[in-house]
Amino acid sequence: EAGVAQSPRYKIIEKRQSVAFWCNPISGHATLYWYQQILGQGPKLLIQFQNNGVVDDSQLPKDRFSAERLKGVDSTLKIQPAKLEDSAVYLCASSGGQGINEKLFFGSGTQLSVL
Amino acid sequence: AQSVTQPDIHITVSEGASLELRCNYSYGATPYLFWYVQSPGQGLQLLLKYFSGDTLVQGIKGFEAEFKRSQSSFNLRKPSVHWSDAAEYFCAVGAGYSSASKIIFGSGTRLSIRP
Repeated sequence: EAGVAQSPRYKIIEKRQSVAFWCNPISGHATLYWYQQILGQGPKLLIQFQNNGVVDDSQLPKDRFSAERLKGVDSTLKIQPAKLEDSAVYLCASSGGQGINEKLFFGSGTQLSVL
Repeated sequence: AQSVTQPDIHITVSEGASLELRCNYSYGATPYLFWYVQSPGQGLQLLLKYFSGDTLVQGIKGFEAEFKRSQSSFNLRKPSVHWSDAAEYFCAVGAGYSSASKIIFGSGTRLSIRP
């Protein structure tokens, strides 16, 4: 079974530039999550999708971050404009459902460095 | 709101020695508790979880964890570590009857293995 795919693996940009990350979840998984993991911290949820609808985006900095999941499969996360504090690993995860007992499957992440 | 604390930032143990990683949580009711492992360059992988029932939970890769309500703890243990266990370990807590988006991760404990 293919896992959660993310690209790019690494990205280096200057502050105020824009950047986009892509995620392809496990086939058939209806729920997709984007997490931000700052160095030395645990993952923090940015947004959760159920199919192509947003379930929870309460911690997404909406003035600069946006995400979409067209057709309920692939998803993109965009930052525009980037700030130094956005340097982190961005993890995508998927699950079959959205209940707390669902097993989350994580991708390898995109490491973003903002200079 | 729930929270989770991992008091040890970095632990080094010798190969073949026993391991215990500490996790303390804060939540008013019975929590849903998880341990995830993150190997270098990899996404997070679920080791084990506790929802209810037997307080000693067995997981993958020979790990186990014990839920102690009186101590608000969910420590991870392994009787004999292998070099391949070197990784970052995250404890997480969630509120029952909620979405997986409400899972809160600790800041992690980095495990190094001494040959």
